[in-house]
Amino acid sequence: GAVVSQHPSWVICKSGTSVKIECRSLDFQATTMFWYRQFPKQSLMLMATSNEGSKATYEQGVEKDKFLINHASLTLSTLTVTSAHPEDSSFYICSARELIAVGGEQYFGPGTRLTVT
Amino acid sequence: GNSVTQMEGPVTLSEEAFLTINCTYTATGYPSLFWYVQYPGEGLQLLLKATKADDKGSNKGFEATYRKETTSFHLEKGSVQVSDSAVYFCASLIYNQGGKLIFGQGTELSVKP
Repeated sequence: GAVVSQHPSWVICKSGTSVKIECRSLDFQATTMFWYRQFPKQSLMLMATSNEGSKATYEQGVEKDKFLINHASLTLSTLTVTSAHPEDSSFYICSARELIAVGGEQYFGPGTRLTVT
Repeated sequence: GNSVTQMEGPVTLSEEAFLTINCTYTATGYPSLFWYVQYPGEGLQLLLKATKADDKGSNKGFEATYRKETTSFHLEKGSVQVSDSAVYFCASLIYNQGGKLIFGQGTELSVKP
């Protein structure tokens, strides 16, 4: 149980275009989803926390107008990278937390590799 | 503030060697502690966790004990295998910040046959 999927697993886009990444909890309801960014050989950097039906909370230094997050249902959150640039190339990972207290465990998706050319 | 510090890698061991990856944390209050493993090109998998002092998390031969007095959560395995080669992340869960996970920098483990 507790499976989180991401789609696509990898994507290549041209500079200036937008790309959407989906994160789904397949067998549980997730009131909260988290979006992380990971550079090669580095740790995960939390970008934002999204709660179902409300606006996402972005971490300091993350541009909310560039990284649009939508959490429209209890099983789906999306991250849209708008007007992508080569420096946005990275590994994006989402996680989802079950419909319980704050201390609930997070389950991670397999990640999406974004390359902007 | 809240932070997690891991020993730097890469760590290279021979098969069947003993593994220790050190992890210490700073936190206000008593966080839950986790070890995650990341295989190349994949997301994170929960390896083990502990929610209070003196708890021992264990899974697949890996163990870690929540030591409040030393604010540590060191990962150990008695006999590593080639298939254990991966990056290991220590993390703490901060309850009063919406349940965010604070990650250490990760430790790459390479096990040679």
